[in-house]
Amino acid sequence: KAGVTQTPRYLIKTRGQQVTLSCSPISGHRSVSWYQQTPGQGLQFLFEYFSETQRNKGNFPGRFSGRQFSNSRSEMNVSTLELGDSALYLCASSLAPTGGTGELFFGEGSRLTVL
Amino acid sequence: DQQVKQNSPSLSVQEGRISILNCDYTNSMFDYFLWYKKYPAEGPTFLISISSIKDKNEDGRFTVFLNKSAKHLSLHIVPSQPGDSAVYFCAASGAFGNEKLTFGTGTRLTIIP
Repeated sequence: KAGVTQTPRYLIKTRGQQVTLSCSPISGHRSVSWYQQTPGQGLQFLFEYFSETQRNKGNFPGRFSGRQFSNSRSEMNVSTLELGDSALYLCASSLAPTGGTGELFFGEGSRLTVL
Repeated sequence: DQQVKQNSPSLSVQEGRISILNCDYTNSMFDYFLWYKKYPAEGPTFLISISSIKDKNEDGRFTVFLNKSAKHLSLHIVPSQPGDSAVYFCAASGAFGNEKLTFGTGTRLTIIP
């Protein structure tokens, strides 16, 4: 069974540009969550989608947005990139929305560097 | 506001000894707690969890203890092995607007052979 796939794995952008990251969940999983990992900050929750609907949103500015498609694949977009957006962006999938007893299955992440 | 805190950024333990990783939380609405383990260049993987109706859950070498009155949980690894060297994140979730998993900042565990 294929795991969570994130693309691209690495990317370099400059300030002011925008970026789109993609996540394909485990087959059959309908919930996708996005996290930002930076040194010293742990994993900061960005948003969660279930059946194409955003269920939860973290405390990030409106430059961060996401969506989920009917096949459960998800994308997140960051516009007007800032240096502080440099981070590892992790996607996780689960069968049901989080908050239950199901665990999250994480992808390997997309490492974004903003110059 | 960091609702889940791991106050030790790093921990070194001799191989074969016990590793104890600690986690504190502030949100009394959290009722489910998990530990994840992360190796470099990989995503976090689920390790063990505990519901607030229990105070202990054991899975092989890994045991999680929950002290609800102190809002504190700990992960015990006995005996520690070199393959346990990783970053460990605790996470918590609840109901009524707290459904998302809230993670701590992580503790880097190094097992010394």
